[in-house]
Amino acid sequence: DAGVIQSPRHEVTEMGQEVTLRCKPISGHDYLFWYRQTMMRGLELLIYFNNNVPIDDSGMPEDRFSAKMPNASFSTLKIQPSEPRDSAVYFCASSQGRGPQHFGDGTRLSIL
Amino acid sequence: GQQLNQSPQSMFIQEGEDVSMNCTSSSIFNTWLWYKQDPGEGPVLLIALYKAGELTSNGRLTAQFGITRKDSFLNISASIPSDVGIYFCAGHSNAGKSTFGDGTTLTVKP
Repeated sequence: DAGVIQSPRHEVTEMGQEVTLRCKPISGHDYLFWYRQTMMRGLELLIYFNNNVPIDDSGMPEDRFSAKMPNASFSTLKIQPSEPRDSAVYFCASSQGRGPQHFGDGTRLSIL
Repeated sequence: GQQLNQSPQSMFIQEGEDVSMNCTSSSIFNTWLWYKQDPGEGPVLLIALYKAGELTSNGRLTAQFGITRKDSFLNISASIPSDVGIYFCAGHSNAGKSTFGDGTTLTVKP
């Protein structure tokens, strides 16, 4: 069984650059979640989708962050322009209905 | 919004000891979940609880869904070095999303 697949696993870029994180949820799952994890703030929900439609984006830090889900098997989280304070591990998770979420292995993002 | 209070924040124990951690909330949840996160990986589901009062075991792990639906605990018996990691509780409501605790970091000394 393929789990949630995220890419890239690591990203290092300079501030001001655009960053795009990618996620492929588990086939058949209809919910997709983007989280950010830092030592200071723990695991924060940024946005989640149901059937490709954004349901709650209240956790998105600011307008520099955007997320899309063009189809049931793909989602992106974009940061433009990136800043050093965006450095964190970003997780994607998916679930079927209101069942438990299954997480990817994350993207470790470093903005210099 | 909903918040979870997870404790303790960290634990340092000797191999073979039992471990207990818990989560409390001011809100009612329909489902309680416990995850474990190893370094460099995403959280992995350990136990899911769906009914108030439910007590569920998974090997050396035991978790309970509190009667009030506002709390849950996780016990690990006879800890081993590979139990090291961060344990998260999560409460799940009908809104479709989960609320996560801040995690309990477990260190096991051989």
